[in-house]
Amino acid sequence: DAGVIQSPRHEVTEMGQEVTLRCKPISGHNSLFWYRQTMMRGLELLIYFNNNVPIDDSGMPEDRFSAKMPNASFSTLKIQPSEPRDSAVYFCASSSNRANEQYFGPGTRLTVT
Amino acid sequence: GQNIDQPTEMTATEGAIVQINCTYQTSGFNGLFWYQQHAGEAPTFLSYNVLDGLEEKGRFSSFLSRSKGYSYLLLKELQMKDSASYLCAVRDYGNNRLAFGKGNQVVVIP
Repeated sequence: DAGVIQSPRHEVTEMGQEVTLRCKPISGHNSLFWYRQTMMRGLELLIYFNNNVPIDDSGMPEDRFSAKMPNASFSTLKIQPSEPRDSAVYFCASSSNRANEQYFGPGTRLTVT
Repeated sequence: GQNIDQPTEMTATEGAIVQINCTYQTSGFNGLFWYQQHAGEAPTFLSYNVLDGLEEKGRFSSFLSRSKGYSYLLLKELQMKDSASYLCAVRDYGNNRLAFGKGNQVVVIP
């Protein structure tokens, strides 16, 4: 099993640009999670999907952030327009409804200048 | 919502034992998780407790007291590779979201 796959691994962009982060969950997993990690705030849940449906997006910071899951094997997190304070590591994780643990992808390190 | 508190950093010697504490407040507890995160890497699952008591997994053990809102992770026979951040996370009943603490940085020295 390839595990959770995220791309890109690193992204450097200028303020105001659109950023799209991509995630492929582990095959057969029903739930997908987007997290953001910073030194100040730690690991925060942004949104999670179950069976491709957004269940809880209360962690999405503002309207500049949006997430989609068009099918069971792909999700995107988009920031438009990006701002320097969005600089963080963004993790995607997936889990099976039958198991407890979440499996994390390697993360995307985003730097907005 | 949840409120999760973890101390920030500790240093220990190779071969020693360390205990990492986590206290939490939540309205509908449905499980506590411990994750290990090495610098620059993703968190990896270590343990899960939903009932009171001790769960042992090799050199790592995790304890839970639901009445006290308290858990600890015990790392025995410390190795250099155990230098990492240890995160506790709480899940509420009725949903699948995890609320993570800030993590406790463990530094293992020779």
